[in-house]
Amino acid sequence: RKEVEQDPGPFNVPEGATVAFNCTYSNSASQSFFWYRQDCRKEPKLLMSVYSSGNEDGRFTAQLNRASQYISLLIRDSKLSDSATYLCVVNARGNQFYFGTGTSLTVIP
Amino acid sequence: DTAVSQTPKYLVTQMGNDKSIKCEQNLGHDTMYWYKQDSKKFLKIMFSYNNKELIINETVPNRFSPKSPDKAHLNLHINSLELGDSAVYFCASSHEGSYTEAFFGQGTRLTVV
Repeated sequence: RKEVEQDPGPFNVPEGATVAFNCTYSNSASQSFFWYRQDCRKEPKLLMSVYSSGNEDGRFTAQLNRASQYISLLIRDSKLSDSATYLCVVNARGNQFYFGTGTSLTVIP
Repeated sequence: DTAVSQTPKYLVTQMGNDKSIKCEQNLGHDTMYWYKQDSKKFLKIMFSYNNKELIINETVPNRFSPKSPDKAHLNLHINSLELGDSAVYFCASSHEGSYTEAFFGQGTRLTVV
């Protein structure tokens, strides 16, 4: 079983739409959680860390449900510049960052 | 200032050759990593290394070996390159511990012909 599972999409949404990505992880002892963004032919970059209480950064909201081992990312008012691959990342055993397969998002004018 | 830098950015080589990819970080991080991103875009951890411990993903062939001359560098050596080794290899670093993010280099696109 993979450490981190994500729906690969693709998600094609119009500008202004709200889109949600989900992710599950297998190791209940996992301690930290992140969403990364990867643009085509570029390196992954941190979008936001995910805290137990949920956290928001502008149009982006991340939530963590430890009981269900589930992480989500909500993007409101989608912009063309949001088009990218979104990677769910779990630090499962300290110094072991496990990536999901990524969810591809295309925002359409 | 580039935080995590790896060279070369592109590498084209023939089957059977031995090659190295260099990685350096200037963030003062304790732990460095190598990841492989294949044609399906899946990022798979290959190694994580700090001064105390080398953790090897058991699926990584022993033709791949990390070499760390010091805390700021983790180079990747690949012997007897195979066609299936073609991928993008990313170096990353982080502070030691669980509540810390990883920073990535820009990647090395390796093509084995």
